[in-house]
Amino acid sequence: QKEVEQDPGPLSVPEGAIVSLNCTYSNSAFQYFMWYRQYSRKGPELLMYTYSSGNKEDGRFTAQVDKSSKYISLFIRDSQPSDSATYLCAMSLGGATNKLIFGTGTLLAVQP
Amino acid sequence: DGGITQSPKYLFRKEGQNVTLSCEQNLNHDAMYWYRQDPGQGLRLIYYSQIVNDFQKGDIAEGYSVSREKKESFPLTVTSAQKNPTAFYLCASRVTGELFFGEGSRLTVL
Repeated sequence: QKEVEQDPGPLSVPEGAIVSLNCTYSNSAFQYFMWYRQYSRKGPELLMYTYSSGNKEDGRFTAQVDKSSKYISLFIRDSQPSDSATYLCAMSLGGATNKLIFGTGTLLAVQP
Repeated sequence: DGGITQSPKYLFRKEGQNVTLSCEQNLNHDAMYWYRQDPGQGLRLIYYSQIVNDFQKGDIAEGYSVSREKKESFPLTVTSAQKNPTAFYLCASRVTGELFFGEGSRLTVL
């Protein structure tokens, strides 16, 4: 079993839709959770970063962490064609351990 | 502007040749990383370095080598021992939790 599981998609939605992207993980010791967005042929860029259960909102993006279920989500409201990209979840242990474990990424296409 | 610069963006190599990918950062970050990205496999850690003159193997270090002689620079050499080197290579640096990535280098072996 992989430490982090992410549905690869592709996920296709119409413009304006609410998008839900999800990852599950097996290691209950993970403390830090991140979502990265990666456009085609580019490096990933950080979208959201959280270290606690609950919701964190930033504009049209909401990151949700449920540590009891070992499940994280990224919601995108009012999706735009410019949101079309691959979304990668990542997580790491706390303390001195710096290694990030990445999901395989979900390819999202927002149709105009 | 602060950031991470990778070069070259695209590289073609014949089988049996070593190639070196450059990574330079001006973010003053201590930790630097090299990842490999293949379709359907996500990002896999090749090597990382927490401080100058020190580095550790990641999950898929075989066939790769690195050096860290300066804080700003972390070059990756893909050797002829790497059996399947065609991939997208990403360099990153880190200060606390989040990783900052470069634009990537795409290596194709002919």
